[in-house]
Amino acid sequence: KAGVTQTPRYLIKTRGQQVTLSCSPISGHRSVSWYQQTPGQGLQFLFEYFSETQRNKGNFPGRFSGRQFSNSRSEMNVSTLELGDSALYLCASSPLRDRGTEAFFGQGTRLTVV
Amino acid sequence: GNSVTQMEGPVTLSEEAFLTINCTYTATGYPSLFWYVQYPGEGLQLLLKATKADDKGSNKGFEATYRKETTSFHLEKGSVQVSDSAVYFCALVKAAGNKLTFGGGTRVLVKP
Repeated sequence: KAGVTQTPRYLIKTRGQQVTLSCSPISGHRSVSWYQQTPGQGLQFLFEYFSETQRNKGNFPGRFSGRQFSNSRSEMNVSTLELGDSALYLCASSPLRDRGTEAFFGQGTRLTVV
Repeated sequence: GNSVTQMEGPVTLSEEAFLTINCTYTATGYPSLFWYVQYPGEGLQLLLKATKADDKGSNKGFEATYRKETTSFHLEKGSVQVSDSAVYFCALVKAAGNKLTFGGGTRVLVKP
């Protein structure tokens, strides 16, 4: 069974640009969550989608947005990039919405903003 | 709000030493608790979990017990190997959904 796939693995963007990251969950998983990992702030929750609906949202500015498609694949978009957006962005998928269900993580997309 | 506090690293150990990483949490009700591990250049892997008080999660020689009275979920391993060198994250999920709240992570380095 294929794991969670995130593309691209690495990305370099310039301040002010926008970026779209992609996540393909494990087949059959309907919940997709996104996290930002930085040395200073650690792992922070961005948002969760379940069956194409955003169910939870973290404390990030509106420049961060996401969506989920009918095949459960998800994208997140960051507009007007800032240097502080440089981070590892992790996607996780789960089969259910129930708490306690294991979340399977992808390898992440390393975004560098210059 | 919910929060997780874990001991800061790095923790440096010799092979076959005993490892313990402290984790305490703040949350109302009964969250589910997890330990995740991150190896260099990779995403997170679930190490173990516990979904109710007094549950013990275990995997690959690691153990942690959900202690409601002390709001703790300390990770232990009796004899570490070099391959256990990684960053370990304690996390919780509260209520429905899969929003994980993570601790700051503890880097563990095991020397031969």
